[in-house]
Amino acid sequence: LAKTTQPISMDSYEGQEVNITCSHNNIATNDYITWYQQFPSQGPRFIIQGYKTKVTNEVASLFIPADRKSSTLSLPRVSLSDTAVYYCLVGGPVSGAGSYQLTFGKGTKLSVIP
Amino acid sequence: DSGVTQTPKHLITATGQRVTLRCSPRSGDLSVYWYQQSLDQGLQFLIQYYNGEERAKGNILERFSAQQFPDLHSELNLSSLELGDSALYFCASSVEQGPTSSYNEQFFGPGTRLTVL
Repeated sequence: LAKTTQPISMDSYEGQEVNITCSHNNIATNDYITWYQQFPSQGPRFIIQGYKTKVTNEVASLFIPADRKSSTLSLPRVSLSDTAVYYCLVGGPVSGAGSYQLTFGKGTKLSVIP
Repeated sequence: DSGVTQTPKHLITATGQRVTLRCSPRSGDLSVYWYQQSLDQGLQFLIQYYNGEERAKGNILERFSAQQFPDLHSELNLSSLELGDSALYFCASSVEQGPTSSYNEQFFGPGTRLTVL
């Protein structure tokens, strides 16, 4: 079962790029890496998912090195509305078991400062 | 709005009691996941169902159980409640391709806040 580690909190000024790294040293071959954003009193919301190298969508980029033991979520030019908790999720099919293992990190509280 | 609905929004009960939380997934989603979120434990995966069958188990206590019905809605049953069970319980749904497919994006509901007194 992959265990994930993220920084507890981060501060950033508006307009800056923010990089949040998640460590998952015992990630399994079939595991994917997914990042979620959560605002207070709401359910988490999907940001981006990847398996290796780099993935980019309209809101973020995800960098995954070749050994896949960590991943970095990159948020370009953050605004005040990006203040939220960001979770790293590692999981995927359990080979031969027909089931999934899912492990959320403890989350990184990002505070964007004007 | 994610398309996932959960009822009730709030639930207050006493220790030792039993409650049932309900979740309706997005139209077309076959998979339902349950999570518990508390201040000290963060977001914990409990259990997943796919098209009526249990697919994966996480940190679910024996006092807790779940099921997914033929119409794909799901219920999470919590019994012999303790003070420490007070938390936000989230349901999420996703489209599943099969056991060897990549993990899919999950859509989370608004949650049920359970308070055990």
